[in-house]
Amino acid sequence: GQNIDQPTEMTATEGAIVQINCTYQTSGFNGLFWYQQHAGEAPTFLSYNVLDGLEEKGRFSSFLSRSKGYSYLLLKELQMKDSASYLCAVRDIQTGANNLFFGTGTRLTVIP
Amino acid sequence: NAGVMQNPRHLVRRRGQEARLRCSPMKGHSHVYWYRQLPEEGLKFMVYLQKENIIDESGMPKERFSAEFPKEGPSILRIQQVVRGDSAAYFCASSLPGDYNEQFFGPGTRLTVL
Repeated sequence: GQNIDQPTEMTATEGAIVQINCTYQTSGFNGLFWYQQHAGEAPTFLSYNVLDGLEEKGRFSSFLSRSKGYSYLLLKELQMKDSASYLCAVRDIQTGANNLFFGTGTRLTVIP
Repeated sequence: NAGVMQNPRHLVRRRGQEARLRCSPMKGHSHVYWYRQLPEEGLKFMVYLQKENIIDESGMPKERFSAEFPKEGPSILRIQQVVRGDSAAYFCASSLPGDYNEQFFGPGTRLTVL
């Protein structure tokens, strides 16, 4: 099966940097995704890692270590609009070619 | 280029009624996925379909739930004899052909069972 853990809630200050961690256990790992979801809205794609290392995209970066079953999403220069849930999801090749298995999400609150 | 469309956005049903949720994938996308999100919980995979084929339904409840993606028209998630526990947000996602492409999510249908 799949097991994905991430903190339930985090709070950070506008302009600061925040790191959201995700650990996973899966039998057929084939990629890790981060999505952003504002309350009442659809998840939107942020990043994808399949190889170890850091992927940078503007204010957002994502890191993966496959040997440790660990990823983090780094948000820099936080803005109020970054208040949202951040979903970590893994793709498991053994259960289906493209199915995603999501953690419960981390609700980030950005305060002034 | 329109994104993934879902309708209705909100659906209210009484216990025992049927719910039909529709999803039109992005243009050019032939893969559709359905997820359910219960209040304060993460997204749970339900079913993965390609045109006229169910590829993986390992996340679907064994009874009352069915899904289809016909050659023409939207994908349909059907819930028969709804119960209060079916109240949730149901999200559809689509992707391009090929096994490992990014999934784009629709706005979801919020089902409330009275």
